Amino acid sequence: DADVTQTPRNRITKTGKRIMLECSQTKGHDRMYWYRQDPGLGLRLIYYSFDVKDINKGEISDGYSVSRQAQAKFSLSLESAIPNQTALYFCATSPEPRKTGYNQPQHFGDGTRLSIL
Amino acid sequence: EDKVVQSPLSLVVHEGDTVTLNCSYEVTNFRSLLWYKQEKKAPTFLFMLTSSGIEKKSGRLSSILDKKELFSILNITATQTGDSAVYLCAVETSGSRLTFGEGTQLTVNP
Repeated sequence: DADVTQTPRNRITKTGKRIMLECSQTKGHDRMYWYRQDPGLGLRLIYYSFDVKDINKGEISDGYSVSRQAQAKFSLSLESAIPNQTALYFCATSPEPRKTGYNQPQHFGDGTRLSIL
Repeated sequence: EDKVVQSPLSLVVHEGDTVTLNCSYEVTNFRSLLWYKQEKKAPTFLFMLTSSGIEKKSGRLSSILDKKELFSILNITATQTGDSAVYLCAVETSGSRLTFGEGTQLTVNP
């Protein structure tokens, strides 16, 4: 079983629709992140959360919102989807460094490919 | 604004060749530099570098960081077709935020 699970894996929808992408993890990590990947632009940070009560905007948060429902769940919403939000979306997790005593790398899910027509 | 630049963006080699991938960065509050390999799905972690001049090695892959000149290289020796992937460089800054480069698409032909 995957440690970081993203659903759905693929989604095609129309402009103006509300969409939710979900991420769940079994790694017990406190920190969770949402990225989008576009060709030629690498991965860009949308939102991140260090615990259930902590939500922070990333580099490109406009047009997106998030909810951290539990330590293991972090969802990303597009309130009114537009075509330039077509991208590959990744969720990632990492442990709190103070718990492990050292920094550890972020661990990624398999991604959600989202197409907005 | 934090910036990470990778070169080349694309590289085609033959099996057995040695390749060097480059990553330069300009960031505030540097904490570490990471390399990931991305095939069809999730980026998978290769190396995390925090100190200058200390080579990290895993099989045929190795990487080193130069914090004075603000760059890192990833070397792959005796390449195999299974090394074909996008290699991503990312820099971690304060707050555990990652800034990624565009990636290098490596194709290894038999």
